[in-house]
Amino acid sequence: AQSVTQLDSQVPVFEEAPVELRCNYSSSVSVYLFWYVQYPNQGLQLLLKYLSGSTLVKGINGFEAEFNKSQTSFHLRKPSVHISDTAEYFCAVSHSGGGADGLTFGKGTHLIIQP
Amino acid sequence: DAGITQSPRHKVTETGTPVTLRCHQTENHRYMYWYRQDPGHGLRLIHYSYGVKDTDKGEVSDGYSVSRSKTEDFLLTLESATSSQTSVYFCAITGPNTGELFFGEGSRLTVL
Repeated sequence: AQSVTQLDSQVPVFEEAPVELRCNYSSSVSVYLFWYVQYPNQGLQLLLKYLSGSTLVKGINGFEAEFNKSQTSFHLRKPSVHISDTAEYFCAVSHSGGGADGLTFGKGTHLIIQP
Repeated sequence: DAGITQSPRHKVTETGTPVTLRCHQTENHRYMYWYRQDPGHGLRLIHYSYGVKDTDKGEVSDGYSVSRSKTEDFLLTLESATSSQTSVYFCAITGPNTGELFFGEGSRLTVL
């Protein structure tokens, strides 16, 4: 079984400041890792994914994440946030190689950008 | 955008009534999923399908059934809705080989 822990349910940040959203996972097998963003009243949109190779992954909207196998973490970062980044962010994991049983999601982190 | 359409997008119903939510895809993907989203719980898998007439249970399947008679349609049925099933329901399909999910816009269900 696999699980995902997002360590902060809510992160307030001032506009133009850097931000890190933390994600730890638990799995007995190799994994693929994902970050999704959900804007108010919308579906989920993929921000970035780690499948293999370089542990630093760049995504859309200036976000990046680093896979750390020894710490079983996949933290999301952005060097300078904007008001438009206000949203819910979800970390997710699947067995490497895909698989029929979908993704396991964390409970989400609400990113609040303060002017 | 992935061609996923959910209907209805909003529904209010009463306890004890049956409800069916529909997910329609135009991508011809084999795998389809139903998740529910609740505050403080993130997204939890209800049921999934790995082909026509092939389905399996997810983490929170009690009180739900699914059917898939065609590749493009995946139906989620609440036989007798309860207030605990008030939620936002998302349908998803997978991209090729990576497990990445593409989501529909969601169906907000309120059970009074």
